Amino acid sequence: GNSVTQMEGPVTLSEEAFLTINCTYTATGYPSLFWYVQYPGEGLQLLLKATKADDKGSNKGFEATYRKETTSFHLEKGSVQVSDSAVYFCALKRAGSYQLTFGKGTKLSVIP
Amino acid sequence: GAGVSQSPSNKVTEKGKDVELRCDPISGHTALYWYRQSLGQGLEFLIYFQGNSAPDKSGLPSDRFSAERTGGSVSTLTIQRTQQEDSAVYLCASSAAVNQETQYFGPGTRLLVL
Repeated sequence: GNSVTQMEGPVTLSEEAFLTINCTYTATGYPSLFWYVQYPGEGLQLLLKATKADDKGSNKGFEATYRKETTSFHLEKGSVQVSDSAVYFCALKRAGSYQLTFGKGTKLSVIP
Repeated sequence: GAGVSQSPSNKVTEKGKDVELRCDPISGHTALYWYRQSLGQGLEFLIYFQGNSAPDKSGLPSDRFSAERTGGSVSTLTIQRTQQEDSAVYLCASSAAVNQETQYFGPGTRLLVL
């Protein structure tokens, strides 16, 4: 079946540090891949997505590249801010399906 | 424009009571989804509606859970005879098309069963 594995948190970084949150997936075919973010007290928001191999999704300084050969979609940001503190979820949607399969989430705390 | 809205934002109930959770999708979105976010299980798919088609209920954890969508818009998730393990955040999402579009999530209903 489909599954998403992302690095366990929590992750604590100082402001302006480099961020990587690892995400790998198992799925048949060519799924679409997503990163969602949940800020404290708010609902899930789409951060970025990629729909085919080698695509790079980017938004708000975050990037992730769809790597078919390593079945990965790692999230990166060059310089985090306190306002990036949130829980980040990696997710996939198999082609022809509608269900999102989520990872367990990684809590990021950025300290000044 | 308006996003997905859910009500109530919080609900506290006693074990054994029934609860109803409401979702208003984004206007014009034909697909609607319910997910559950709990500490032990992460985010789980519950049910999916697409237009007038029969819903996919494959994610519902037990027959105490049911959902309906009236007029292709508003949806209600009902949990009968609530149990403590039903405590979770219930998230609703909608999308403009089934396979191609992104799902937009509401703020969720936080349910606590005492």
